[in-house]
Amino acid sequence: NAGVTQTPKFQVLKTGQSMTLQCAQDMNHNSMYWYRQDPGMGLRLIYYSASEGTTDKGEVPNGYNVSRLNKREFSLRLESAAPSQTSVYFCASSEAPGGGQETQYFGPGTRLLVL
Amino acid sequence: GDSVTQMEGPVTLSEEAFLTINCTYTATGYPSLFWYVQYPGEGLQLLLKATKADDKGSNKGFEATYRKETTSFHLEKGSVQVSDSAVYFCALSDRRAGNQFYFGTGTSLTVIP
Repeated sequence: NAGVTQTPKFQVLKTGQSMTLQCAQDMNHNSMYWYRQDPGMGLRLIYYSASEGTTDKGEVPNGYNVSRLNKREFSLRLESAAPSQTSVYFCASSEAPGGGQETQYFGPGTRLLVL
Repeated sequence: GDSVTQMEGPVTLSEEAFLTINCTYTATGYPSLFWYVQYPGEGLQLLLKATKADDKGSNKGFEATYRKETTSFHLEKGSVQVSDSAVYFCALSDRRAGNQFYFGTGTSLTVIP
């Protein structure tokens, strides 16, 4: 049982390049999330998918797009990377809301450096 | 809107010292409250949680009590170890806000032998 996996672990991009961060979970969770973590800012929600087939914006969606490919996979795309997107990106998943089952489980993170 | 305010760090303690990390929250409904821990180079792991007022979450010697009257969820441990060195995040999940999570800024703890 791998939990939440993310690829790649580390990436360096030049300004203007594009890339996709991959995330997969094997816990049969309905909801998936993408966060970025910056020093002194905690975690901020970029996008989330409450269930397969739906996606919604979080606190900081600008410059990103997401795809909920199936129940297991949720990808994050940077179409034209900017230095301000240098961060550590975490994917998380949880069961559907309700009944105290809201715990989120996190992947190991992707460190992205945009030059 | 919903938010979490967390004690700023960094915090440095000697081994076996008592730990308190303060956390207060603002929420429109009746949120669930969480403490997550992040060890160096790793993702966040759930440490403990409480889903209603007066509940006490506990794990690995850490405890936190959901206090609705003071809107607080302070993390405590009676005797810290070097292995507790990590960053600790307080968070809430509010069903009225679409079950989104709101995280505090994190508190870095270093325990020295």
